[in-house]
Amino acid sequence: NFMLTQPHSVSESPGKTVTISCTRSSGSIASNYVQWYQQRPGSAPTTVIYEDNQRPSGVPDRFSGSIDSSSNSASLTISGLKTEDEADYYCQSYDSSNHWVFGGGTKLTVL
Amino acid sequence: QVQLVQSGAEVKKPGSSVKVSCKASGGTFSSYAISWVRQAPGQGLEWMGRIIPILGIANYAQKFQGRVTITADKSTSTAYMELSSLRSEDTAVYYCASRGVYWGQGTLVTVSS
Repeated sequence: NFMLTQPHSVSESPGKTVTISCTRSSGSIASNYVQWYQQRPGSAPTTVIYEDNQRPSGVPDRFSGSIDSSSNSASLTISGLKTEDEADYYCQSYDSSNHWVFGGGTKLTVL
Repeated sequence: QVQLVQSGAEVKKPGSSVKVSCKASGGTFSSYAISWVRQAPGQGLEWMGRIIPILGIANYAQKFQGRVTITADKSTSTAYMELSSLRSEDTAVYYCASRGVYWGQGTLVTVSS
């Protein structure tokens, strides 16, 4: 099976842009959809990106997702950072049996 | 807009079982997989298994094989996750999720003697 590796933490200032990476250890990142989940402290996860780059209704277009086959990674980019974006972010994809595989999560600090 | 509403918090003894429910509304329940994900205190997300209600077929993460049973009742649009032989390490918040887009609010299961 493969692993999804995320940076443990990232930080950026309000109004700036931050990108969180999610690198797949084996197999092509493009072979299975990637989702991104936001989890604020004490709350359930919510989906900010599904199927690589789709936003659920209600998610602002400051959130975008992409896939880069050259680095075998997915990225979540948040522009115009707000303090409310401070949260843990998890990437998730599927293995060959359609089982979910999660990244370890990235703590985003907006300071 | 799909809404997933889970059952309330549970406190269980080691060795017992727990059954958590997840009731869906506002969408086509049977057609999409419902997954169960758990999160131990201070830890990341861990996938446990899923079911496609229209097929009634469930599959499970290897870690939980033999200890978890996921079922679905199409008549009430409700999915269930039952975890047996509970131990303290199973203390976690358990979430259901649909299509990787919609999430339940979570159910805290505490295993303590």
